[in-house]
Amino acid sequence: QVQLVESGGGLVKPGGSLRLSCAASGFTFSDYYMSWIRQAPGKGLEWVSYISSSSSYTNYADSVKGRFTISRDNAKNSLYLQMNSLRAEDTAVYYCARDSYYDSSDVLDYWGQGTLVTVSS
Amino acid sequence: DIQMTQSPSSLSASVGDRVTITCRASQGISNSLAWYQQKPGKAPKLLLYAASRLESGVPSRFSGSGSGTDYTLTISSLQPEDFATYYCQQYYSTPQTFGQGTKVEIK
Repeated sequence: QVQLVESGGGLVKPGGSLRLSCAASGFTFSDYYMSWIRQAPGKGLEWVSYISSSSSYTNYADSVKGRFTISRDNAKNSLYLQMNSLRAEDTAVYYCARDSYYDSSDVLDYWGQGTLVTVSS
Repeated sequence: DIQMTQSPSSLSASVGDRVTITCRASQGISNSLAWYQQKPGKAPKLLLYAASRLESGVPSRFSGSGSGTDYTLTISSLQPEDFATYYCQQYYSTPQTFGQGTKVEIK
C-alpha cells in the first residue's frame, strides 16, 4: 500500500534552517509529481511546493519562494524540502503528498502523517 | 491567485442528517475542484475530484456538484465517522488553493 512518511521537523530559531524528508513506498515513486502542503496550528491548508517526476519542474508558493527548495532522489524514493531563513509564520505541520493525474484531474491522492516545524526563539 | 471561499465555516448536525457545504471560487475553475476530509491530528483524505467524481473507496453518501465558480459537497446521511473538517481545493491554476474549511460537529 502507498505510504508516505515525513521526518525532520522540530524546533528552530527564526532565521534558521531545517530539511524535511519524505520516504515513499508502495508505488513507483519516479512516476509521480510530489508536493508539500502545510497547515499552521488551528488553520487551513496551504500548498507550498511541487516537483515533477524527473525534477525538471518545480514551483513554489510566493510565501516561501527564494527561501525553500524542493528536491527528490528517485533512487532513494525520497522527497525533500530544504527550508532556510525560517520565520515564525512558517510554523506548521508539513505534509508531503502524491500528485496523481487521472480523469484530467491533478489531485493529491495520498498524504503523509505530517511533521511539525516550530519556528520560535 | 484564485480565492476559495467555503460556507459555512462550521455546522452542527445529527447522525442521519443531510449536510451541504458550499465552495465558491473567485473565478471560473471548470470543475477542477476536489474535496478533502480531515479528522483531528490526521492528514487530509481525498473524497472527490473533478467536482463530482468519487475517489475509490469513498462511501456513496458523499456527492459533489457544481460548475463555473460554485460547487457543493453533500453528505446524504451523516454518519458518526463523518464528523470532521472538510476542505475544497481548486487545481485549475497554480498555486492550487484551498478553502478555509468547514467543521462538521455533532449536534
